[in-house]
Order: sequence, then structure tokens, then C-alpha cells
Amino acid sequence: DIVMTQSPDSLAVSLGERATINCKSSQSVFSSSDSKDSLAWYQQRPGQPPKLLIHWASTRQSGVPDRFSGSGSGTDFTLTISSLQAEDVAVYYCQQYYNMPRTFGQGTKVEIK
Amino acid sequence: EVRLVESGGALVQPGESLRLSCVASGFIFSNYGMNWVRQAPGKGLEWVSYIRNDANLIKYRDSVQGRFTISRDNTKNSLYLHMNSLRVEDTALYYCVRSIGAIDYWGQGSLVTVSS
Repeated sequence: DIVMTQSPDSLAVSLGERATINCKSSQSVFSSSDSKDSLAWYQQRPGQPPKLLIHWASTRQSGVPDRFSGSGSGTDFTLTISSLQAEDVAVYYCQQYYNMPRTFGQGTKVEIK
Repeated sequence: EVRLVESGGALVQPGESLRLSCVASGFIFSNYGMNWVRQAPGKGLEWVSYIRNDANLIKYRDSVQGRFTISRDNTKNSLYLHMNSLRVEDTALYYCVRSIGAIDYWGQGSLVTVSS
């Protein structure tokens, strides 16, 4: 199984400041057939199901604000929130869909400082 | 609007069985692979099972292999999860989710509690 490891486990950021979350996979999730990295980011607000933010490592899902961006390739990926808003308080998960079983990172809790 | 509505969650004793259902609307159900993902109370996300749109490919995580069975009825826009020999560690909120590779839609979840 591919192990997904996120860092940090939690972070507190001031409103308007940048938040950065890292995700490392235990093996490459680059799909040669798609020529893309099979890596997604989800946001889970308290009491809500997760919501897809980013797929293919850097493609923003329709309707997601452009302050959210994804980057990285191979085994190392980053989710950046360029200017933190109050509604961004949530737990963020990375997930690989390169192979089965699908695996998630342990989550990163983002709070307001 | 895409909607996924789960039902069937309950409090059961270890060793008992349960069937979860999910009714989909707002998209052509027979065109998409579907999954179950679970989340134990206060914990992270765990993928459970996948079924291809034509039901000819099915996958499970190791810890449920042989105990859980995923199925679908494309005529009823429905996804199912039959769970046998339930264990305390199966306690979780079970989400019905649509996948396009990544998971693009999630239901609200159905709570399964396994306790004596």
C-alpha cells in the first residue's frame, strides 16, 4: 500500500496569511498513461463531508477559490492557501488514486491564530 | 445537482450484519465508479471498497475483504454495502462517494456503531 504522510499535523495561521501543507507518498503516484500525478486534496469542515479541492496534483476543482493551489510531483506535494479566510478552518487531506487501495494522509488541521 | 443519500446505519453487536444503501441522483449513475469511504469518530478517512460502473471490477481494503460485499443496481441508481461479521473497529461514518479517479462527490454519511 502507498503510505501518505502529511506535515504538519496542525497549524495556526493569521487571517490573510499563507498556509502551506505538505504531503509525501511512499512511492511515486505519477501515472504514465495520464501523464499526471494521481494526487488529490480535500477539505473537511467540522460536521461536513470532505470536499474535493484539487485533483491531478494541481487542477483546481470547479468552484474552488483561486487562493487554493496545489503543486509538486512524484512523491512530494503541497497545498497552499495564499490568504487564509475564516471559512478555511478545516482539516485537509491528501489522497493518492494511483492504485488500490486508495490511501489518504492522516489530515492537517488548520486553525486561525 | 449531484446527490448521494446513504441509509441503513445502526447500532449492532459484534458479529452481526448490516446493509448500507446509497441512492444517487443528478447524474448518469451507470457511467461512474462508486466507492465507500469510512471515518471513525474523530479520526481520518479510510477507503473501504470500489465498484466499477459496470460492476465487473470490485476492490476491497484488506481488513474488510471476505466480510463486506459491495454491489450496485444501475436500474435503481443505487449502491450497496453488505457488511457481515462486524467488528468494533468497523464503527464509523460510512460515506457513499463517486470517483473520477479522485472523489468528486460525497454523501452525508451513514453511522455504523458496533458495540456490545
